[in-house]
Amino acid sequence: DTAVSQTPKYLVTQMGNDKSIKCEQNLGHDTMYWYKQDSKKFLKIMFSYNNKELIINETVPNRFSPKSPDKAHLNLHINSLELGDSAVYFCASSRDRGNQPQHFGDGTRLSIL
Amino acid sequence: GNSVTQMEGPVTLSEEAFLTINCTYTATGYPSLFWYVQYPGEGLQLLLKATKADDKGSNKGFEATYRKETTSFHLEKGSVQVSDSAVYFCALIRFGTDKLIFGTGTRLQVFP
Repeated sequence: DTAVSQTPKYLVTQMGNDKSIKCEQNLGHDTMYWYKQDSKKFLKIMFSYNNKELIINETVPNRFSPKSPDKAHLNLHINSLELGDSAVYFCASSRDRGNQPQHFGDGTRLSIL
Repeated sequence: GNSVTQMEGPVTLSEEAFLTINCTYTATGYPSLFWYVQYPGEGLQLLLKATKADDKGSNKGFEATYRKETTSFHLEKGSVQVSDSAVYFCALIRFGTDKLIFGTGTRLQVFP
């Protein structure tokens, strides 16, 4: 059973399009995250939600909009995709806020043509 | 600000060699420290953690000790295997925040 699952695994699209990435966790965790990993493997947090409430929003362009319909899901919608958005996006979850270990999905590789 | 510095990779070793991957941190207060591992094509997995000074985290033969005096959390393993080949990330969460701050990652390549 996959604990944190993301779909799709690969996403290839053209500049200017709008796309969504879905994330679901079956761990019963309260907190979920989105990270961006660039081509040099550097990981940076984008957003975090706790019980459907936004708690971290790191200077991310407003073309990126997270949505948490319930605490088991955190989706990421991206408008007007740009070349610089090409990266691997990871979803993660933790039992609650603070220094709890985070469980990661396998990532979504987004390629902008 | 808070940051994590890791040694540049790749680290290339023969099977059964001793491994050290250096990690130092800068943080206000008392952060919790983590090592995550990323195997090719996969997400990150928690390898070990330590939440206070002198704590030793260990898992799968890997160890790291939280050294407050040197602000370090070096990862060690006595005898590496080919299956340990992966990218290793050192990370911290500062007490009272929710942000996991990662180092740049160190690629380990183990050859038979």
